[in-house]
Amino acid sequence: SQKIEQNSEALNIQEGKTATLTCNYTNYSPAYLQWYRQDPGRGPVFLLLIRENEKEKRKERLKVTFDTTLKQSLFHITASQPADSATYLCALPFGSSNTGKLIFGQGTTLQVKP
Amino acid sequence: EAGVTQSPTHLIKTRGQQATLRCSPISGHTSVYWYQQALGLGLQFLLWYDEGEERNRGNFPPRFSGRQFPNYSSELNVNALELEDSALYLCASSILSGGGTEAFFGQGTRLTVV
Repeated sequence: SQKIEQNSEALNIQEGKTATLTCNYTNYSPAYLQWYRQDPGRGPVFLLLIRENEKEKRKERLKVTFDTTLKQSLFHITASQPADSATYLCALPFGSSNTGKLIFGQGTTLQVKP
Repeated sequence: EAGVTQSPTHLIKTRGQQATLRCSPISGHTSVYWYQQALGLGLQFLLWYDEGEERNRGNFPPRFSGRQFPNYSSELNVNALELEDSALYLCASSILSGGGTEAFFGQGTRLTVV
């Protein structure tokens, strides 16, 4: 069955450093992959979408890579700030890309210390 | 522009009762998705509605049901509540039917079953 794995351990880094989060998936080839940010008690907020024919995508301090051979996406936050502290979720479409169903990873909690 | 709105914010019910959760999508979005986020389990896909029809459902029992109204708002009903139904229920909408673009989430309804 389709499975997504994110590092379940919290990631603690110093302000100003680059945070790198990993999302690995198995047993299928998604047409795209999404990253969301979730703060405690709140709904996820969309950050980036990268399609299977794109290797890399950037948005301000964020960068996402998508390696369909390794079945892995890396999410980078450069010049991290304490305000970046949150849980980051990766999400993939279930089956074909238009079933309306996203499968979410468990999320990785990032803590940026001043 | 108003985002996805959900009501109520919090709901406390007794085991065996029924709960009704409501969601209003972003104006112009015809697709509404429901997810359950129980503690430690991540987001689990519940239902997808589009143009008033149920298009897909996740691995949940039939006591989880819903509907979508002509104005595209949606309602999630949970019958015969069980303690393990306690979770954050999230509604999302998207401009494209079925996915392939970002999903906008509401703030969720925290359902507590006692």
